[in-house]
Amino acid sequence: SQQGEEDPQALSIQEGENATMNCSYKTSINNLQWYRQNSGRGLVHLILIRSNEREKHSGRLRVTLDTSKKSSSLLITASRAADTASYFCVTTDSWGKLQFGAGTQVVVTP
Amino acid sequence: EAGVVQSPRYKIIEKKQPVAFWCNPISGHNTLYWYRQNLGQGPELLIRYENEEAVDDSQLPKDRFSAERLKGVDSTLKIQPAELGDSAVYLCASSSRAEGSYNEQFFGPGTRLTVL
Repeated sequence: SQQGEEDPQALSIQEGENATMNCSYKTSINNLQWYRQNSGRGLVHLILIRSNEREKHSGRLRVTLDTSKKSSSLLITASRAADTASYFCVTTDSWGKLQFGAGTQVVVTP
Repeated sequence: EAGVVQSPRYKIIEKKQPVAFWCNPISGHNTLYWYRQNLGQGPELLIRYENEEAVDDSQLPKDRFSAERLKGVDSTLKIQPAELGDSAVYLCASSSRAEGSYNEQFFGPGTRLTVL
């Protein structure tokens, strides 16, 4: 079973536009991470937000976390063709176990 | 620094045949993970090792899957016999021990298994 559920399942945008995807999860977490997976670089860690944080930035990425609603969002600003990938919301429980959602497939067209 | 190495990258076998996957983690990483990723899904943990000890194998189908991590470095995941439903990408990841519950996992490129 998977902990997180991403929404939407797929997203198609043009270069320069922003991409927003959301994640909902079920149980309490220590932190939440977002990973990216594409055919070129495999599965790569993007950003982590701890349960006591509400927002975090890293380059063109902005992540929010609302523990009361058990939800998170990932915003990619000024998207590029190289951002084409699947994005996974990943929760970590108190044992350090990662649980992946099903992912959002993002396609950025030039 | 070399990343997580996996081999083979691709494997096609007939059902009921055995298959083995090999993983070499990043040097110095004491924790090693095996995941299975079905098409259109996120990875699901099969087993986690702390050095040579399997500390979480609750999701490993023990009737046909086995894993080992001798000497606490390289690891092998085996399926015997393989079934059609085992077709998936098998990912290996490693991480170093860190304080608290966060330790970034670094993933290998995976082995894509096709069972015919």
